[in-house]
Amino acid sequence: QQQVKQSPQSLIVQKGGISIINCAYENTAFDYFPWYQQFPGKGPALLIAIRPDVSEKKEGRFTISFNKSAKQFSLHIMDSQPGDSATYFCAAASGGYQKVTFGTGTKLQVIP
Amino acid sequence: DADVTQTPRNRITKTGKRIMLECSQTKGHDRMYWYRQDPGLGLRLIYYSFDVKDINKGEISDGYSVSRQAQAKFSLSLESAIPNQTALYFCATSGAGTGSRETQYFGPGTRLLVL
Repeated sequence: QQQVKQSPQSLIVQKGGISIINCAYENTAFDYFPWYQQFPGKGPALLIAIRPDVSEKKEGRFTISFNKSAKQFSLHIMDSQPGDSATYFCAAASGGYQKVTFGTGTKLQVIP
Repeated sequence: DADVTQTPRNRITKTGKRIMLECSQTKGHDRMYWYRQDPGLGLRLIYYSFDVKDINKGEISDGYSVSRQAQAKFSLSLESAIPNQTALYFCATSGAGTGSRETQYFGPGTRLLVL
């Protein structure tokens, strides 16, 4: 049962452009929404995370937008760079990482 | 990644063989996890452990077993490997709860091919 739906599956963005990845969840008990970045041959690494009591969180070029009523959240990468080329996973958790549900991943390619 | 290490990094085995994947961490975390990653399916939790005496099944534990030898070591075993267990396996650690102080850290992964 897929509780976190992620789209698109792949994304190609021009250098300097905005990359947008969307996720939707079903379980209203989720209270923590992290995004992970994974480079080939590496494990996922936490990029940025948000709790549902705020609608937006920004860290450098990365922003999470959160819409609690729609049960959706998205990752925006501003001024996308070739070094941002990686697979991005959204996730949702409730009460600890043993209850984390991951999205299916988005492979981002930023072309010069 | 250096705080969470996995061995081997790559493994090819045959159907029916027993294999063990090992994970060690220097984060000092009590909580450890094993996930498998399949294309198009994201990461799915196999087993998790909150301390040496605590082992719990995750979403997809059938065909797998684990051993928590010490706070820093958590091993995953495939008792009789089958081809649909071909996947990328990740170990992870965390502190209790979630949040900026309790980030989950992943190892570099073990790529397993079952022939």
